[in-house]
Amino acid sequence: KAGVTQTPRYLIKTRGQQVTLSCSPISGHRSVSWYQQTPGQGLQFLFEYFSETQRNKGNFPGRFSGRQFSNSRSEMNVSTLELGDSALYLCASSTSAEETQYFGPGTRLLVL
Amino acid sequence: GNSVTQMEGPVTLSEEAFLTINCTYTATGYPSLFWYVQYPGEGLQLLLKATKADDKGSNKGFEATYRKETTSFHLEKGSVQVSDSAVYFCALSDSGGTSYGKLTFGQGTILTVHP
Repeated sequence: KAGVTQTPRYLIKTRGQQVTLSCSPISGHRSVSWYQQTPGQGLQFLFEYFSETQRNKGNFPGRFSGRQFSNSRSEMNVSTLELGDSALYLCASSTSAEETQYFGPGTRLLVL
Repeated sequence: GNSVTQMEGPVTLSEEAFLTINCTYTATGYPSLFWYVQYPGEGLQLLLKATKADDKGSNKGFEATYRKETTSFHLEKGSVQVSDSAVYFCALSDSGGTSYGKLTFGQGTILTVHP
């Protein structure tokens, strides 16, 4: 079974731009969670989607948003990028929120 | 809220040495506990898990036991290899209430194994 895939793998943007990251979960998984990883803050939870509904959201500003499609693929969007948004963005999928999460390789975003 | 504390690193060992990485947690409910490993330039890989007290998770020679009385989930391996060099994360999942789909992570421990 194919693992979690994320596109693109690397991205360079400038301050003020917006970016959209994509995540395709493992087949049959309906829950997708997103995390931000930085050297200073570590791994922080962004949000979780299940059956196209956001069920949980971390402590991030409204510039960070996401959505999930009927095939369980998910996207996250960051608007008005700031230098501090430079990070590795990881998505994880599971059969449900209570089950083990499996991670993708991440998208590394650099904001200049 | 929930939290996870890992021993401060980095940890440097010689090949075949014994490894322990300490992990303690605070949780309001009855969490599941995980160890994930991250190799350079990659995402997180599940190493092992335990879902209830006294469960032992094991994989690839690594073990960890869910100790509710000490709120701990320490990672151990009897003989490390150079290929075990990576960053190790302890995490908990407490899916009740407002914690849907959220893993709470420790800060990570960098392990370097020398030949």
